[in-house]
Amino acid sequence: TQLLEQSPQFLSIQEGENLTVYCNSSSVFSSLQWYRQEPGEGPVLLVTVVTGGEVKKLKRLTFQFGDARKDSSLHITAAQPGDTGLYLCAGAGSSASKIIFGSGTRLSIRP
Amino acid sequence: DAGITQSPRHKVTETGTPVTLRCHQTENHRYMYWYRQDPGHGLRLIHYSYGVKDTDKGEVSDGYSVSRSKTEDFLLTLESATSSQTSVYFCAISGFGEATDTQYFGPGTRLTVL
Repeated sequence: TQLLEQSPQFLSIQEGENLTVYCNSSSVFSSLQWYRQEPGEGPVLLVTVVTGGEVKKLKRLTFQFGDARKDSSLHITAAQPGDTGLYLCAGAGSSASKIIFGSGTRLSIRP
Repeated sequence: DAGITQSPRHKVTETGTPVTLRCHQTENHRYMYWYRQDPGHGLRLIHYSYGVKDTDKGEVSDGYSVSRSKTEDFLLTLESATSSQTSVYFCAISGFGEATDTQYFGPGTRLTVL
């Protein structure tokens, strides 16, 4: 059974600080996605990475796919209160029906 | 925002009763999915559909059935609800069923089985 472990589970930091969230597995994935979910809403896709070693930037967010395509990280620079939410990684096999979600990192940014 | 609605948004029911959750989309997407979200487990796929009357099981399909008679509607039925099915249920849609597709999620249905 494929598993995706996210760490940390919870993170509370001050506005302006930097942070990194990790998503790890012993399995190889063909692609990996990161979602953000706010309370009472469904997840919203942030990024998809498909190539080992790939780095994508979305404003203050930097996503990296590991060289072996088993892990990924999300780095946020100068965190803002609007970054608060649940961050989910999702690794995929051959199709969307084979996507495995991690249990998430709940991020809180204090003003 | 993708046009996905779920109904009801909240439901409390008793063990042993049947429950049907509805997902409605206005995007004409081919693929539709039902997930459940529980603390410590992330999102887990229950069933999905790749077209009208075409459905398949996901990771946690026991105790659930689905139907899709129209492109826009995907129904999830709990034939006899149990307390272990207390969860938040999300519907999602995508265009091509590829792993790299964007899945658009609905707002969720919070189901409590007493």
